[in-house]
Amino acid sequence: GQQLNQSPQSMFIQEGEDVSMNCTSSSIFNTWLWYKQDPGEGPVLLIALYKAGELTSNGRLTAQFGITRKDSFLNISASIPSDVGIYFCAGQPGNTGKLIFGQGTTLQVKP
Amino acid sequence: SQTIHQWPATLVQPVGSPLSLECTVEGTSNPNLYWYRQAAGRGLQLLFYSVGIGQISSEVPQNLSASRPQDRQFILSSKKLLLSDSGFYLCAWNLGTAGNTIYFGEGSWLTVV
Repeated sequence: GQQLNQSPQSMFIQEGEDVSMNCTSSSIFNTWLWYKQDPGEGPVLLIALYKAGELTSNGRLTAQFGITRKDSFLNISASIPSDVGIYFCAGQPGNTGKLIFGQGTTLQVKP
Repeated sequence: SQTIHQWPATLVQPVGSPLSLECTVEGTSNPNLYWYRQAAGRGLQLLFYSVGIGQISSEVPQNLSASRPQDRQFILSSKKLLLSDSGFYLCAWNLGTAGNTIYFGEGSWLTVV
């Protein structure tokens, strides 16, 4: 079945540093989404990407839909303590509403 | 605006007992509905999805079942829980097919003891 490889698995950084994480797929996706999950809560959508090559920003967050449609990255600039959490990429294959999730990147920010 | 709610938020159940988690969506009609499970420290696994009343698709073989008795109601059930059923269960919804992002409920923590 289709799988998403998300890396890195975890990051421990200093406040103010930039962060980069990415996801790769063995097959083509039509949509890429990035979510953030705080402990004990449901994931919250950060950025949605719908076209190959699309680059979208949301405040300090920037994400891109890879040209090959098999990858995506998320960058966080000038990290702050509230950026702590688990970040998930998700891809939508074909024309269904289903999402396939990466395994998540756990981000810890040291003040 | 649309909202999604699921309950209970947490529960502790003994092995072999039944389970019922409920999810409702407000502010929209004919949504696609989903149940995901998240094991501790891991990603989200799609369990069931539904495109309409009474229409349920199962993604993985398991000890659970799902039902959609009403347009905006999605129920996750089990007749006899296993220890391996423990986890964080998330209900989610979206509209239409391609290009529509999925929105999640608050989640339900299930601990089977």
